[in-house]
Amino acid sequence: QVQLVQSGAEVKKPGASVRVSCKTSGYTGTTYGITWVRQAPGQGLEWMGWVSGNNGKTRYADNLKGRVTMTMDPSTSTAYMELRSLTSDDAAVYFCARGQGIPSAFWGQGTLVTVSS
Amino acid sequence: DIQMTQSPATLSGSVGDRVTITCRASQSISRGLAWYQQKPGRAPKLLIFEASNLESGVPSRFSGSGSGTEFTLTISSLQPDDFATYYCQHYDSFSWTFGQGTKVEIK
Repeated sequence: QVQLVQSGAEVKKPGASVRVSCKTSGYTGTTYGITWVRQAPGQGLEWMGWVSGNNGKTRYADNLKGRVTMTMDPSTSTAYMELRSLTSDDAAVYFCARGQGIPSAFWGQGTLVTVSS
Repeated sequence: DIQMTQSPATLSGSVGDRVTITCRASQSISRGLAWYQQKPGRAPKLLIFEASNLESGVPSRFSGSGSGTEFTLTISSLQPDDFATYYCQHYDSFSWTFGQGTKVEIK
Protein backbone atom coordinates (compact mmCIF):
# COMPACT_ATOMS: atom_id res chain seq x y z
CA GLN A 1 0.00 0.00 0.00
CA VAL A 2 1.07 3.58 -0.54
CA GLN A 3 2.94 5.04 2.43
CA LEU A 4 4.77 8.28 3.08
CA VAL A 5 6.91 8.19 6.22
CA GLN A 6 8.49 11.39 7.45
CA SER A 7 11.51 11.99 9.62
CA GLY A 8 11.18 12.81 13.30
CA ALA A 9 10.62 16.01 15.19
CA GLU A 10 13.29 18.69 15.09
CA VAL A 11 14.26 21.50 17.44
CA LYS A 12 16.23 24.31 15.85
CA LYS A 13 17.58 27.68 16.88
CA PRO A 14 16.61 30.84 15.03
CA GLY A 15 18.78 31.28 11.96
CA ALA A 16 19.43 27.57 11.57
CA SER A 17 18.30 25.24 8.80
CA VAL A 18 16.13 22.14 8.95
CA ARG A 19 15.80 19.23 6.54
CA VAL A 20 12.76 17.01 6.62
CA SER A 21 12.60 13.74 4.71
CA CYS A 22 9.64 11.88 3.27
CA LYS A 23 10.23 8.25 2.29
CA THR A 24 7.68 6.84 -0.11
CA SER A 25 6.71 3.25 -0.78
CA GLY A 26 3.99 1.28 -2.48
CA TYR A 27 4.38 2.96 -5.85
CA THR A 28 7.07 3.89 -8.34
CA GLY A 29 8.70 6.96 -6.85
CA THR A 30 9.21 8.78 -10.12
CA THR A 31 5.56 8.54 -11.13
CA TYR A 32 4.41 11.26 -8.78
CA GLY A 33 5.93 14.39 -7.39
CA ILE A 34 5.83 15.37 -3.75
CA THR A 35 4.10 18.45 -2.38
CA TRP A 36 4.97 20.02 0.97
CA VAL A 37 2.41 21.72 3.22
CA ARG A 38 2.90 23.21 6.67
CA GLN A 39 0.60 24.05 9.53
CA ALA A 40 1.56 26.46 12.29
CA PRO A 41 0.11 25.72 15.74
CA GLY A 42 -3.64 26.30 15.75
CA GLN A 43 -3.56 27.60 12.19
CA GLY A 44 -4.62 26.43 8.74
CA LEU A 45 -2.79 24.64 5.96
CA GLU A 46 -0.15 26.47 3.93
CA TRP A 47 1.12 25.16 0.60
CA MET A 48 4.93 25.40 0.39
CA GLY A 49 5.71 23.94 -3.01
CA TRP A 50 6.43 20.74 -4.88
CA VAL A 51 9.17 18.72 -6.48
CA SER A 52 8.53 16.65 -9.58
CA GLY A 53 9.13 12.93 -9.35
CA ASN A 54 10.63 12.43 -12.78
CA ASN A 55 12.82 15.43 -13.49
CA GLY A 56 13.37 17.22 -10.19
CA LYS A 57 11.58 20.34 -11.34
CA THR A 58 10.37 22.49 -8.46
CA ARG A 59 7.87 25.22 -7.75
CA TYR A 60 7.85 27.18 -4.50
CA ALA A 61 5.47 29.51 -2.72
CA ASP A 62 6.48 33.12 -3.27
CA ASN A 63 6.91 33.80 0.46
CA LEU A 64 9.47 30.98 0.75
CA LYS A 65 11.51 31.50 -2.40
CA GLY A 66 15.18 31.79 -1.61
CA ARG A 67 14.85 29.95 1.71
CA VAL A 68 13.45 26.59 0.67
CA THR A 69 14.82 23.76 -1.43
CA MET A 70 12.89 20.62 -2.32
CA THR A 71 14.61 17.62 -3.82
CA MET A 72 13.87 14.03 -4.72
CA ASP A 73 16.22 11.05 -4.53
CA PRO A 74 14.75 8.44 -6.90
CA SER A 75 17.27 5.82 -5.78
CA THR A 76 15.75 5.78 -2.29
CA SER A 77 12.25 7.05 -3.15
CA THR A 78 12.79 9.82 -0.65
CA ALA A 79 11.89 13.48 -0.94
CA TYR A 80 13.55 16.21 1.07
CA MET A 81 12.54 19.70 2.11
CA GLU A 82 15.19 22.06 3.45
CA LEU A 83 14.23 25.38 5.00
CA ARG A 84 16.94 27.89 5.91
CA SER A 85 17.19 30.97 8.10
CA LEU A 86 14.49 29.74 10.44
CA THR A 87 12.43 32.15 12.52
CA SER A 88 9.69 31.57 15.05
CA ASP A 89 7.21 31.95 12.18
CA ASP A 90 8.53 28.69 10.72
CA ALA A 91 7.53 26.66 13.76
CA ALA A 92 4.94 24.25 12.41
CA VAL A 93 4.06 20.71 11.51
CA TYR A 94 5.38 19.96 8.04
CA PHE A 95 3.56 17.46 5.85
CA CYS A 96 4.51 15.81 2.57
CA ALA A 97 1.81 14.60 0.19
CA ARG A 98 1.97 12.54 -2.95
CA GLY A 99 1.46 14.34 -6.20
CA GLN A 100 1.77 17.83 -7.59
CA GLY A 101 -1.04 19.96 -8.95
CA ILE A 102 -3.67 17.38 -8.00
CA PRO A 103 -5.40 16.75 -4.67
CA SER A 104 -3.77 14.03 -2.63
CA ALA A 105 -5.18 11.09 -0.74
CA PHE A 106 -1.72 10.12 0.51
CA TRP A 107 0.07 12.18 3.15
CA GLY A 108 2.94 11.70 5.53
CA GLN A 109 2.30 11.70 9.26
CA GLY A 110 3.78 15.15 9.74
CA THR A 111 7.03 16.41 11.26
CA LEU A 112 7.00 18.94 14.07
CA VAL A 113 9.63 21.64 13.74
CA THR A 114 10.19 23.78 16.82
CA VAL A 115 12.21 26.98 16.55
CA SER A 116 13.50 28.17 19.88
CA SER A 117 16.59 29.83 21.25
CA ASP B 1 -3.24 34.99 -6.76
CA ILE B 2 -6.49 33.16 -6.18
CA GLN B 3 -7.88 33.45 -2.64
CA MET B 4 -10.20 30.87 -1.10
CA THR B 5 -12.69 32.02 1.55
CA GLN B 6 -14.58 29.53 3.68
CA SER B 7 -17.62 30.12 5.82
CA PRO B 8 -18.51 29.75 8.55
CA ALA B 9 -15.30 29.59 10.58
CA THR B 10 -17.06 27.46 13.19
CA LEU B 11 -20.21 25.42 12.94
CA SER B 12 -22.02 23.78 15.85
CA GLY B 13 -24.14 20.77 15.11
CA SER B 14 -25.75 17.72 16.64
CA VAL B 15 -25.56 14.12 15.53
CA GLY B 16 -28.01 13.68 12.68
CA ASP B 17 -27.92 17.31 11.54
CA ARG B 18 -27.46 18.29 7.91
CA VAL B 19 -24.64 20.82 7.65
CA THR B 20 -23.21 22.83 4.79
CA ILE B 21 -19.86 24.58 4.45
CA THR B 22 -19.26 27.16 1.74
CA CYS B 23 -16.05 27.99 -0.10
CA ARG B 24 -15.71 30.96 -2.43
CA ALA B 25 -12.88 31.58 -4.89
CA SER B 26 -11.71 35.11 -5.73
CA GLN B 27 -11.96 34.21 -9.41
CA SER B 28 -13.35 31.34 -11.43
CA ILE B 29 -11.54 28.04 -10.85
CA SER B 30 -13.86 25.86 -12.89
CA ARG B 31 -14.08 22.64 -10.86
CA GLY B 32 -10.54 22.56 -9.49
CA LEU B 33 -11.72 22.24 -5.91
CA ALA B 34 -11.18 19.58 -3.25
CA TRP B 35 -12.35 19.15 0.34
CA TYR B 36 -10.34 17.68 3.21
CA GLN B 37 -11.16 16.66 6.76
CA GLN B 38 -8.52 17.08 9.45
CA LYS B 39 -8.53 15.89 13.03
CA PRO B 40 -6.09 17.16 15.68
CA GLY B 41 -2.60 15.77 15.28
CA ARG B 42 -3.46 14.05 11.99
CA ALA B 43 -2.78 14.69 8.33
CA PRO B 44 -5.65 15.95 6.20
CA LYS B 45 -7.91 13.34 4.65
CA LEU B 46 -9.19 13.83 1.11
CA LEU B 47 -12.99 13.69 0.90
CA ILE B 48 -13.98 15.25 -2.41
CA PHE B 49 -12.08 16.15 -5.59
CA GLU B 50 -13.11 17.96 -8.76
CA ALA B 51 -15.79 19.72 -6.73
CA SER B 52 -18.19 16.79 -6.49
CA ASN B 53 -16.34 13.48 -6.85
CA LEU B 54 -16.30 11.36 -3.71
CA GLU B 55 -12.90 9.90 -2.87
CA SER B 56 -12.85 6.12 -2.58
CA GLY B 57 -13.84 4.90 0.86
CA VAL B 58 -15.45 8.17 1.95
CA PRO B 59 -19.00 7.76 3.31
CA SER B 60 -21.79 8.82 0.99
CA ARG B 61 -23.16 11.27 3.56
CA PHE B 62 -20.44 13.63 2.29
CA SER B 63 -21.18 15.45 -0.95
CA GLY B 64 -19.76 18.41 -2.82
CA SER B 65 -21.19 20.75 -5.38
CA GLY B 66 -20.44 23.94 -7.26
CA SER B 67 -18.29 25.33 -10.02
CA GLY B 68 -16.72 28.62 -10.94
CA THR B 69 -16.43 30.62 -7.72
CA GLU B 70 -18.88 29.05 -5.27
CA PHE B 71 -18.69 25.58 -3.79
CA THR B 72 -20.31 23.68 -0.96
CA LEU B 73 -19.55 20.64 1.15
CA THR B 74 -22.61 19.00 2.68
CA ILE B 75 -22.74 16.35 5.37
CA SER B 76 -26.25 14.92 5.14
CA SER B 77 -26.38 13.46 8.65
CA LEU B 78 -23.59 14.37 11.08
CA GLN B 79 -21.96 11.42 12.77
CA PRO B 80 -19.72 11.46 15.87
CA ASP B 81 -16.67 10.79 13.68
CA ASP B 82 -17.38 13.92 11.60
CA PHE B 83 -16.48 16.47 14.28
CA ALA B 84 -13.30 17.89 12.81
CA THR B 85 -11.95 20.79 10.77
CA TYR B 86 -12.71 20.94 7.06
CA TYR B 87 -10.63 22.71 4.41
CA CYS B 88 -11.38 23.52 0.82
CA GLN B 89 -8.45 23.50 -1.57
CA HIS B 90 -8.04 24.98 -5.03
CA TYR B 91 -5.56 23.06 -7.12
CA ASP B 92 -4.05 23.55 -10.54
CA SER B 93 -0.85 22.52 -12.24
CA PHE B 94 1.09 25.18 -10.38
CA SER B 95 -0.02 25.25 -6.78
CA TRP B 96 -2.54 24.57 -4.06
CA THR B 97 -4.50 27.21 -2.17
CA PHE B 98 -6.41 26.33 0.98
CA GLY B 99 -9.35 28.01 2.63
CA GLN B 100 -9.00 29.04 6.27
CA GLY B 101 -10.88 26.01 7.54
CA THR B 102 -14.25 25.36 9.18
CA LYS B 103 -14.35 23.70 12.57
CA VAL B 104 -17.40 21.50 13.06
CA GLU B 105 -18.13 21.27 16.78
CA ILE B 106 -20.62 19.37 18.87
CA LYS B 107 -23.57 21.53 19.88
